Amino acid sequence: QVQLVQSGAEVKKPGASVKVSCKASGYTFTGYYVHWVRQAPGQGLEWMGWINPNSGGTSYAQKFQGRVTMTRDTSISTAYMELSRLRSDDTAVYYCARDAAGGQLLSNWFDPWGQGTLVTVSS
Amino acid sequence: DIQMTQSPSSLSASVGDRVTITCRASQSISSYLNWYQQKVGKAPKVLIYAASSLQSGVPSRFSGSGSGTDFTLTISSLQPEDFTTYYCQQSYSIPFTFGPGTTVDIK
Repeated sequence: QVQLVQSGAEVKKPGASVKVSCKASGYTFTGYYVHWVRQAPGQGLEWMGWINPNSGGTSYAQKFQGRVTMTRDTSISTAYMELSRLRSDDTAVYYCARDAAGGQLLSNWFDPWGQGTLVTVSS
Repeated sequence: DIQMTQSPSSLSASVGDRVTITCRASQSISSYLNWYQQKVGKAPKVLIYAASSLQSGVPSRFSGSGSGTDFTLTISSLQPEDFTTYYCQQSYSIPFTFGPGTTVDIK
């Protein structure tokens, strides 16, 4: 079955960087865009950007431009999201999610999602 | 950015009730509107895409309608597993924004 499995929880100090991985299985990794969405504790959902695993092309929300980098390793069907210059308000669960469309198309809705990775930023 | 609002923010209902949640966009998004269900401690799960299309595997008691700026999610007969939080999301333009959520709890 289609599955996205994310790396484990992280604790980081302010100013540091974090890199979260998202390993895909059950489908052709290069056939579907991968999005990243975060959710602060008790808060709503916030879209961060997408990566095209085939080309490596990316699109980021302006809010995260300059701080976020999305990459992929097609040899191991894994997408990565790195967020730098962390602040306390970056404390959140970070989700990867597959775009629902395939064939190099974008639907911009998300199915399925990874299980989430809690990133805690604290001094 | 397109702002999404939802109403109510929370509601209390009983098993078997018909429930309607409203989502409004700050500008027209045609039918680029999706609904997700999120249970505590879990990732969201898509219920409805393109305003009114039921995702495969989702029970038929869930339905969506609307276009332009106003949308609704209806649960025709609430089941015990439906007491949780629902989010709308616009897929019309970047950044893809979500509503603040509606929590359905037991009356």
